[in-house]
Order: sequence, then structure tokens, then C-alpha cells
Amino acid sequence: SQELEQSPQSLIVQEGKNLTINCTSSKTLYGLYWYKQKYGEGLIFLMMLQKGGEEKSHEKITAKLDEKKQQSSLHITASQPSHAGIYLCGADLTGNQFYFGTGTSLTVIP
Amino acid sequence: GAVVSQHPSRVICKSGTSVKIECRSLDFQATTMFWYRQFPKQSLMLMATSNEGSKATYEQGVEKDKFLINHASLTLSTLTVTSAHPEDSSFYICSARRGGQPQHFGDGTRLSIL
Repeated sequence: SQELEQSPQSLIVQEGKNLTINCTSSKTLYGLYWYKQKYGEGLIFLMMLQKGGEEKSHEKITAKLDEKKQQSSLHITASQPSHAGIYLCGADLTGNQFYFGTGTSLTVIP
Repeated sequence: GAVVSQHPSRVICKSGTSVKIECRSLDFQATTMFWYRQFPKQSLMLMATSNEGSKATYEQGVEKDKFLINHASLTLSTLTVTSAHPEDSSFYICSARRGGQPQHFGDGTRLSIL
């Protein structure tokens, strides 16, 4: 079962638009990771967040972890076709097992 | 940085065949390795967690006799899909980590069973 819920499940946006993807857990997250992927290909590491309230940015992507460390958001500014793919959050929920979120499929229309 | 090598990257075989996928940590000793499966348009589902020298811990719903995992050394884990059938066709990806360090992922294996 997946204990990390992502929303939305899929997203279609016009190029240049901003968008946000959410990742929610019922448990405290000790290390929240964001990855990008295309089906059948490897994972591209985006960012890791550990501290409550932490925020990191890389190019046009910003990720935040809330103070309670149960929710994270990934925000893309001025989206481009190169941002298209599957976005996955992941976290160590039990101390030894790493689980992925339900995934968000992003399509950017030129 | 740390690298995890997964082999083969693509395999096509006939129904009933057993297929072995290797996952190697190239420049660190992996105390724990993970195996995931992904179907089209879905996320990665954890199949099992493998600690070196001990039996793998399988997630609920994953058949341990179907998916044999061996973690014989600190740098190698193997996943064998026994008597594979078309419904086993999927994308399999491994990851490895040392202690509480972040995971490093392989590039995955696309398995197609005819």
C-alpha cells in the first residue's frame, strides 16, 4: 500500500504556467525526496528535504516541507515542455523501507 | 558520486522462462537494497527490502517464491523472476544505500514476457 498520497494524479498545463504538486503523509516524514521520471527510465533526483519548514530551489523548481513534516509541495515556475514527466515523492516511513508517492504525471503543452 | 548499476536494461523472453536482474553498488557497500516494480502510468511499488546476509522482507501481495531475491554480498543483489508470465512484464528498478544514507537508484530493467 502506498502511504504517500500525491495530488493531482495528472496535470496538463500550458507552457509558461506555474503549477504545484503535493505529497501528503499520515506519518512524520524523516527525509522527503522528489524525483522526476519517465516510465521505463531511471529516476532523476530533484531535491531532498529534512527539516520542518525547509525550502529548496533549483532552477525553476521549488520544494517545501511543512513544519509538521507531513506534507511537501513541489512548485514549478514558468513550466516548459522539458518539465514533462512523472513526478514522484519518496520517503523513509518505517526506518528501513523507502516508499514512493502515488505519482503525478505532468504534460506541458507548447 | 555513488553509482548503482542494474543489468540488463532490457530483456525480452518467452513465457515460462526465469529471468535474473542484477543490482550492483559500484563504489560503496550497500547494507540495504530495495526492489521496485512499476507498471505504465503508475508509481513505483516497493516489492522487497533486502539486507546483506539475511532474507529479504517482502511487501504484502508480493510472492516470495515468484520473485527470488538474493543479497549475497554488500555490493550485489539479484532479483529472479521465476517462470515469468506476460503479467510480470513491467519496469523493475533497484536501489541501494549504506546505513542511513540516501538511496542511489539503478537505471531500471524493462522486462517483456511474450
